[in-house]
Amino acid sequence: QVQLVESGGGLVKPGGSLRLSCAASGFTFSDYYMSWIRQAPGKGLEWVSYISSSGSTIYYADSVKGRFTISRDNAKNSLYLQMNSLRAEDTAVYYCARGLLFGRRFDPWGQGTLVTVSS
Amino acid sequence: NFMLTQPHSVSESPGKTVTISCTGSSGSIASNYVQWYQQRPGSAPTTVIYEDNQRPSGVPDRFSGSIDSSSNSASLTISGLKTEDEADYYCQSYDSSNQGVFGGGTKLTVL
Repeated sequence: QVQLVESGGGLVKPGGSLRLSCAASGFTFSDYYMSWIRQAPGKGLEWVSYISSSGSTIYYADSVKGRFTISRDNAKNSLYLQMNSLRAEDTAVYYCARGLLFGRRFDPWGQGTLVTVSS
Repeated sequence: NFMLTQPHSVSESPGKTVTISCTGSSGSIASNYVQWYQQRPGSAPTTVIYEDNQRPSGVPDRFSGSIDSSSNSASLTISGLKTEDEADYYCQSYDSSNQGVFGGGTKLTVL
């Protein structure tokens, strides 16, 4: 079955960096767009970024543009999110999700990894 | 920027029908597909409606989606409510820049 497993979350100081990973299995990873979506504690969902199947097309939310970088390694069935210049407001559970409809909808989602930005 | 607005919370009794609205801020909500996700506490979201009114396999036909162009809104209707339907529900679409957009979420209480 389709499975997405995120890793790499943790506690980081403001201004620090973190790299999230998402391991995919159960489908042909290289055929699909992939996305990152986050959820601050007790808050709603916020789309962060998506990347096309080949990696040639990438979009970011304005809130992370210039600080976050999405990438993928189709040979390793893996998605990444490099997060730099982290702020307290980046504290959230980060979900990876398979993108359908050219990345415009998300299914399924991973279980998420918690990123906490605090001094 | 394009936004989706949902009621913060709704409540209804078991066996009844509830409708959750999702109103677009500008343009026509009918121009881009709308999805609905269910999120139970401590779990990742799952799709209950995609592409306005399509139901994934495994989702009961008690769940239905629709678009009302006159009010620029999408709606999720759940009939024959069960206590297991108690969850947060999010609508989702995308804007002209291909950025994903989520509604603020609606907490459904079945009491």
